[in-house]
Amino acid sequence: GAGVSQSPSNKVTEKGKDVELRCDPISGHTALYWYRQSLGQGLEFLIYFQGNSAPDKSGLPSDRFSAERTGGSVSTLTIQRTQQEDSAVYLCASSFRQGGNTIYFGEGSWLTVV
Amino acid sequence: DQQVKQNSPSLSVQEGRISILNCDYTNSMFDYFLWYKKYPAEGPTFLISISSIKDKNEDGRFTVFLNKSAKHLSLHIVPSQPGDSAVYFCAASAKGGGNKLTFGTGTQLKVEL
Repeated sequence: GAGVSQSPSNKVTEKGKDVELRCDPISGHTALYWYRQSLGQGLEFLIYFQGNSAPDKSGLPSDRFSAERTGGSVSTLTIQRTQQEDSAVYLCASSFRQGGNTIYFGEGSWLTVV
Repeated sequence: DQQVKQNSPSLSVQEGRISILNCDYTNSMFDYFLWYKKYPAEGPTFLISISSIKDKNEDGRFTVFLNKSAKHLSLHIVPSQPGDSAVYFCAASAKGGGNKLTFGTGTQLKVEL
């Protein structure tokens, strides 16, 4: 596709369950980012992948959060033992390699933990 | 520690008038600034950007101004249109940080008829 694709678009899960969110970046983009936006909040950086470099995980809020990027393309964000405060929209974005370039967002995965 | 601040959570402007959205930052390492627009239930979309070597960038109805000494930038929309009603996020990145962006909390713009 032409844009960043995320799935699922909506997910309702019970507290304590694990969830996986998927992101397919724009073809040719080597950098991939995960952000989240909780209700009434700004966009919070989670993790950043750039090519084969070690990811920047500095934004992950706890060790329940992890992300992988296989083959330099598709990424999966995993949240283990979900808590109600994890409810948010999780946004994936991608960009070309160099700094100063625009990042392009997907439509997000809306997660609700009940 | 909010490094990018948008102190006005909302702004209401009449159609045809100028909308001015403001953003302040604290990190002197930021060298690239962007504005994103977000409609409900959609991801943010890129609007306009500016490098720290410039103080103004214009694209159609949208102009971004950067005042490095004051660590302040603003987005001007003129004339404002009802379709501009959205949440506007200011974002910044630092040299060496790739394109990792730090976002403000957003300003809800409402353009009224």
